Amino acid sequence: AQKITQTQPGMFVQEKEAVTLDCTYDTSDPSYGLFWYKQPSSGEMIFLIYQGSYDQQNATEGRYSLNFQKARKSANLVISASQLGDSAMYFCAMRANNNNDMRFGAGTRLTVKP
Amino acid sequence: NAGVTQTPKFQVLKTGQSMTLQCAQDMNHEYMSWYRQDPGMGLRLIHYSVGAGITDQGEVPNGYNVSRSTTEDFPLRLLSAAPSQTSVYFCASRPTGTLSPEQYFGPGTRLTVT
Repeated sequence: AQKITQTQPGMFVQEKEAVTLDCTYDTSDPSYGLFWYKQPSSGEMIFLIYQGSYDQQNATEGRYSLNFQKARKSANLVISASQLGDSAMYFCAMRANNNNDMRFGAGTRLTVKP
Repeated sequence: NAGVTQTPKFQVLKTGQSMTLQCAQDMNHEYMSWYRQDPGMGLRLIHYSVGAGITDQGEVPNGYNVSRSTTEDFPLRLLSAAPSQTSVYFCASRPTGTLSPEQYFGPGTRLTVT
């Protein structure tokens, strides 16, 4: 069974600084994808970044990067130059290539302080 | 493109009542799914469909029924509402065939069962 763990219920970061949100996963499938979503207070789920298990390089999307350490089964999200608008819940998720079930972690609430 | 739409946005039910949450997408996606999000938790998969006429259970299917008569629509039925079904419900869609990086979410339906 797949499992996603986010151990940080809440994080604070000063505006313009970088922050890392932790995510570890467990799966026996050799081929899978890892995802990060942002959920602002308005409630919608916003896709941020994706990493395939066979991708050689860490994924980057603007200020978001994914620190993928396959041997450690971790997929941490790094947000550079934090902005006030980054304050939100952040969810890590995983889906195996041969499975339609996407599993989510419990989320991390990020607060950016001015 | 409207993307993924859900109706209603809010709903209050009494215990034992039944209702249908509507979900539609106009992107011709084969895969559609329903998730529920409880406070302090990530999304959990209820049911999913890989195409018209095909549905399957996810992690938490009890108390819910689905059908997929068209590619566009994927309604979720609560047969006899219970307070434990108070949650925010998200519908999502994506293309199948590849480990598609992005899953498109609807805006959510906030359901309260009293």
